[in-house]
Amino acid sequence: KQEVTQIPAALSVPEGENLVLNCSFTDSAIYNLQWFRQDPGKGLTSLLLIQSSQREQTSGRLNASLDKSSGRSTLYIAASQPGDSATYLCAVSNNNDMRFGAGTRLTVKP
Amino acid sequence: ETGVTQSPTHLIKTRGQQVTLRCSSQSGHNTVSWYQQALGQGPQFIFQYYREEENGRGNFPPRFSGLQFPNYSSELNVNALELDDSALYLCASSFKGASGQNYGYTFGSGTRLTVV
Repeated sequence: KQEVTQIPAALSVPEGENLVLNCSFTDSAIYNLQWFRQDPGKGLTSLLLIQSSQREQTSGRLNASLDKSSGRSTLYIAASQPGDSATYLCAVSNNNDMRFGAGTRLTVKP
Repeated sequence: ETGVTQSPTHLIKTRGQQVTLRCSSQSGHNTVSWYQQALGQGPQFIFQYYREEENGRGNFPPRFSGLQFPNYSSELNVNALELDDSALYLCASSFKGASGQNYGYTFGSGTRLTVV
């Protein structure tokens, strides 16, 4: 059974800092890995999707990497802003479902 | 291109009652997945529907059931509600290709269910 773990559970940083969120998964037989953002009480917004054959994806200040063999992914956020405050979820897809980690709750202080 | 719409947005039910949640899929998508997200947790996979049949199920009891309609919209039904069923229920549509991989997961805003 696929288990997805995210570290840290919560992170608070001052505005402007670069930061890294970590995700690990137990079964490397995945189709892809996706990072989502969730604001309080809201649905999920997809940030980056990495196919199993890819090593990384970039979008603006966000960069996600994937090391399938070691079961790890990182989400790098450059020059963090208060508007980046949210919960960030990592999810891996294989076969018929997508499995999520518990998320990292990020607070960026002005 | 329409997104994924869930209804209702909020719902309060009494323990033992039954509830039906609805989800419309994004245009071009043929698969719908349902997730339960308790407060402070990540979403947990309930089940997926493809071609109007259940196509994968997580660790949820049979009182959680679903339907998919010809227009690819879906319903989640929960019978004999328990207090622990209180959660945000998320629906996601996607396109399942010939390989079986799901593409383009798009999530709705969710239904907040409170069981009292």
